[in-house]
Amino acid sequence: GQQVMQIPQYQHVQEGEDFTTYCNSSTTLSNIQWYKQRPGGHPVFLIQLVKSGEVKKQKRLTFQFGEAKKNSSLHITATQTTDVGTYFCAGPLRNQGGKLIFGQGTELSVKP
Amino acid sequence: EAQVTQNPRYLITVTGKKLTVTCSQNMNHEYMSWYRQDPGLGLRQIYYSMNVEVTDKGDVPEGYKVSRKEKRNFPLILESPSPNQTSLYFCASSFIWGLANYGYTFGSGTRLTVV
Repeated sequence: GQQVMQIPQYQHVQEGEDFTTYCNSSTTLSNIQWYKQRPGGHPVFLIQLVKSGEVKKQKRLTFQFGEAKKNSSLHITATQTTDVGTYFCAGPLRNQGGKLIFGQGTELSVKP
Repeated sequence: EAQVTQNPRYLITVTGKKLTVTCSQNMNHEYMSWYRQDPGLGLRQIYYSMNVEVTDKGDVPEGYKVSRKEKRNFPLILESPSPNQTSLYFCASSFIWGLANYGYTFGSGTRLTVV
């Protein structure tokens, strides 16, 4: 079946270092969404990418959607302790309106 | 404030005692869904609803029931809870346009323990 895979599962960085998480889908996606879940919290929608090759920025966060619309990445420049949490990518299941398939998530820890 | 409200936040119950976790959204979203989150297994969908009186099974529906009698509410019912249903549960909602959704809004979660 359709799968969304995310790597790495964990990433530990020193504050100020950069961080990247990668998302790969087994099928072409109409869009990709990214969510952040703080420890003890709930997933919060960050952004949606729709176009092939699309790049969007939110302050120190850069989101990319691959040309083939099968992969995506989230890059954080100069991490801060406030970036700690788990980052999930999610793509819609084909022909099932509304349903998202979530990647397993990348848990980011930042050492001050 | 636009939000998804889940209750209760924490619940400890005994095996076999029926319980309901409520979920309500104030954004007039068509789509609502329940997920459970377990360590190492990520977010798994239990049930979802495309609109009032329309519900369907997700990936792990066994042992759960839902209903969608009103657009804003989507309760999750455990008729006879078992310890393997101990988990963190999230309700989520979104707008739907055609076959696309526009980002889920999640509730704060319900941590359920079944002993």
